[in-house]
Amino acid sequence: GAGVSQSPSNKVTEKGKDVELRCDPISGHTALYWYRQSLGQGLEFLIYFQGNSAPDKSGLPSDRFSAERTGGSVSTLTIQRTQQEDSAVYLCASSQILSGDADTQYFGPGTRLTVL
Amino acid sequence: AQSVTQLGSHVSVSEGALVLLRCNYSSSVPPYLFWYVQYPNQGLQLLLKYTSAATLVKGINGFEAEFKKSETSFHLTKPSAHMSDAAEYFCAVTTQGGSEKLVFGKGTKLTVNP
Repeated sequence: GAGVSQSPSNKVTEKGKDVELRCDPISGHTALYWYRQSLGQGLEFLIYFQGNSAPDKSGLPSDRFSAERTGGSVSTLTIQRTQQEDSAVYLCASSQILSGDADTQYFGPGTRLTVL
Repeated sequence: AQSVTQLGSHVSVSEGALVLLRCNYSSSVPPYLFWYVQYPNQGLQLLLKYTSAATLVKGINGFEAEFKKSETSFHLTKPSAHMSDAAEYFCAVTTQGGSEKLVFGKGTKLTVNP
């Protein structure tokens, strides 16, 4: 079946502009995660959505970052007033919550964001 | 809070040699542990995961890992390296059945020499 998809695959923007990154999770997966991968910081958790619960935003680095998940499916990560330090690969993952087991998170190919 | 330490940011082996990638974790509660592989310009792919069912876990592509609570380790091994194993490998930990954020190590880049 189809995996997690992300768009765009690459995004180049100018400092100060807003960007939107999209994630389509695997159908039926109730949990959705955003991570950031950068040379200096490695892989960092950003935000987690699970069903209708309030999202876990504990990893968002600043209030310029926000995310939403509409209809329990597609998610959009928005970065306002981008800075050069926002340059990174943004990875989305989804999982199917199973009781009593460690759920596998399936990752998309990522969006490479470059802020000039 | 959980954390993961991967010893060796770069590991180089010859084709056919043993692959050993080290991972140590820190967790105040029983952990769930994962190894992911990332090929260039691709996302992360799960190799294997430890869920407390068995301490020796077998994964895809001939990889396996052993959970050792006394050593807080979850090292990844493969008896014989193949050129196609060249990639970056990430160890990760979570503590709530996997339905929570993964905490990743810094990664180990594996090079396989012919």
